[in-house]
Amino acid sequence: DAKTTQPPSMDCAEGRAANLPCNHSTISGNEYVYWYRQIHSQGPQYIIHGLKNNETNEMASLIITEDRKSSTLILPHATLRDTAVYYCIVRVTYPYSGGGADGLTFGKGTHLIIQP
Amino acid sequence: EAGVAQSPRYKIIEKRQSVAFWCNPISGHATLYWYQQILGQGPKLLIQFQNNGVVDDSQLPKDRFSAERLKGVDSTLKIQPAKLEDSAVYLCASSLVEGLARDEQYFGPGTRLTVT
Repeated sequence: DAKTTQPPSMDCAEGRAANLPCNHSTISGNEYVYWYRQIHSQGPQYIIHGLKNNETNEMASLIITEDRKSSTLILPHATLRDTAVYYCIVRVTYPYSGGGADGLTFGKGTHLIIQP
Repeated sequence: EAGVAQSPRYKIIEKRQSVAFWCNPISGHATLYWYQQILGQGPKLLIQFQNNGVVDDSQLPKDRFSAERLKGVDSTLKIQPAKLEDSAVYLCASSLVEGLARDEQYFGPGTRLTVT
């Protein structure tokens, strides 16, 4: 079962920042927070991940609270092409030499709709 | 760089028939995953390969599903016999390094299976 809780849907106006929340109150110390998104009829796409520090890349920013029990994905200037289902996933790390199962456990995600 | 390739894109079969899906991962990616995505839900991991060995098949319904990756490159997922509840999108993903949290998974477009 997914270890995260997300709102089922959100709206955002085009050009504004989209802030997608995620609760992961049972996250453990060796688990990262990952975000993927899935545009209609496509496979999921990686966005960003983090452990405890805030992260930023060309797509988005990830803000993780100090207690790591929640996080927010920020799309700074949302466009119509950002309409998608956004998945927040916690994922345990493995030592490289003894790497084990690391498949992603998806919940139902948040359906983000960007309004023109 | 070419992405993950899957075929066919669509398949319609009757219940109790068999079906096979093919996946070619990104060149050089040692880890390959198959996910099942039922309409309205997030993807669910079915099986993970590292090269040609199985790392995790705990959620694969082994009475009817099988998968192989004989030469450590492309992979085939088979269902025999199919049931109505197998109607879903079957997604293949690959990643470069096993077990490192920093590694992202790249997904193919999926095969949409309809069982009638």
